Amino acid sequence: SQTIHQWPATLVQPVGSPLSLECTVEGTSNPNLYWYRQAAGRGLQLLFYSVGIGQISSEVPQNLSASRPQDRQFILSSKKLLLSDSGFYLCAWSPPGDRAGNTIYFGEGSWLTVV
Amino acid sequence: QQQVKQSPQSLIVQKGGISIINCAYENTAFDYFPWYQQFPGKGPALLIAIRPDVSEKKEGRFTISFNKSAKQFSLHIMDSQPGDSATYFCAARRRGRRALTFGSGTRLQVQP
Repeated sequence: SQTIHQWPATLVQPVGSPLSLECTVEGTSNPNLYWYRQAAGRGLQLLFYSVGIGQISSEVPQNLSASRPQDRQFILSSKKLLLSDSGFYLCAWSPPGDRAGNTIYFGEGSWLTVV
Repeated sequence: QQQVKQSPQSLIVQKGGISIINCAYENTAFDYFPWYQQFPGKGPALLIAIRPDVSEKKEGRFTISFNKSAKQFSLHIMDSQPGDSATYFCAARRRGRRALTFGSGTRLQVQP
């Protein structure tokens, strides 16, 4: 069966510090990968998605970037965090045949607090 | 601009009752409407989904009703149980696009 791992689960970072959240998927090959952000009391917002190694699409302009160095690894980064970057970040995947992203499976999420 | 409006923000239902959560959308290019269930501290999980060519889809105690002309869809939870207590998100996806647009969520509490 497929599993998705995301870490760290929680982190508190000062403004201006860098960020790296990592996500890996097991049990499948060439998954579609996603990074979502959930601000407090709000719905989820798609930040990035990737259909393959080195292929990253950004949905919204922001202070963040994403990379996919390996088939099942997806990394969310920032060089300098802003207070507004605080939120719940979720990595997700969908099967390689699901190009439309109909069936998305989410990870456990990472709570980021920028202070 | 909020493209998917969800209501109510919170809902309290007695055990055995019916929970109803509503969503409305504006973009007629949406062609896929999933509902997600999220427990505290966890990522959302796909609960049930519908396409606009059907008016209703039922899976166990969960039913989606879809009104294409009104651009509205709703989630009904029959015989609500305390274990159903969670936050529910409706979502919609534009034809040909990958991103899901989520509603703001409804926090459901089912009292025993």
